[in-house]
Amino acid sequence: KAGVTQTPRYLIKTRGQQVTLSCSPISGHRSVSWYQQTPGQGLQFLFEYFSETQRNKGNFPGRFSGRQFSNSRSEMNVSTLELGDSALYLCASSSDRRLSGNTEAFFGQGTRLTVV
Amino acid sequence: AQSVTQLGSHVSVSEGALVLLRCNYSSSVPPYLFWYVQYPNQGLQLLLKYTTGATLVKGINGFEAEFKKSETSFHLTKPSAHMSDAAEYFCAVSEEEGGSEKLVFGKGTKLTVNP
Repeated sequence: KAGVTQTPRYLIKTRGQQVTLSCSPISGHRSVSWYQQTPGQGLQFLFEYFSETQRNKGNFPGRFSGRQFSNSRSEMNVSTLELGDSALYLCASSSDRRLSGNTEAFFGQGTRLTVV
Repeated sequence: AQSVTQLGSHVSVSEGALVLLRCNYSSSVPPYLFWYVQYPNQGLQLLLKYTTGATLVKGINGFEAEFKKSETSFHLTKPSAHMSDAAEYFCAVSEEEGGSEKLVFGKGTKLTVNP
């Protein structure tokens, strides 16, 4: 069974540009969550998608957005990039929206975004 | 809002020594608690989780954690450290919002294992 796939693995962008990151969840998983990891703030929840709808959103500005397709693949977009957006962006997929019981969130390897 | 505190951003042990990574949480309701490990340039891998039932939880790679409600703690232990255990470890609690659960992470503890 293939794991969570994130593309690209590394990305360098210039301030003011926009970027799109992609996440392909484990087959059969319908919930996809995104997290931002930085040395200063640690791991922070960005948003969660389930059945093509955003169900939950973290405390990030509107420049951060996302979407989910009918095959559960998800993309996140960051517009008007700032230096502080440099981070590892992690995607996690799970079979259910709740993490109790036998449900586990499986993480991808992440996309390392560097804004210069 | 839930929060997680990991005491010690860096822990160093000798190979074969006990590993103890500390985690305290704040939660007004019974929490679901998790420990994840992250190797360099990798994503997160679940080590173990506590939802209900037995308070001593066994995970992968010989790790275990004990949920202590009175102390609001969920410390991670391993009796004998191995060089391959060198990684960053994150404690997390689940927080329900909008019918789903998100993970709230601690800042992480980087474990170094010395030969």
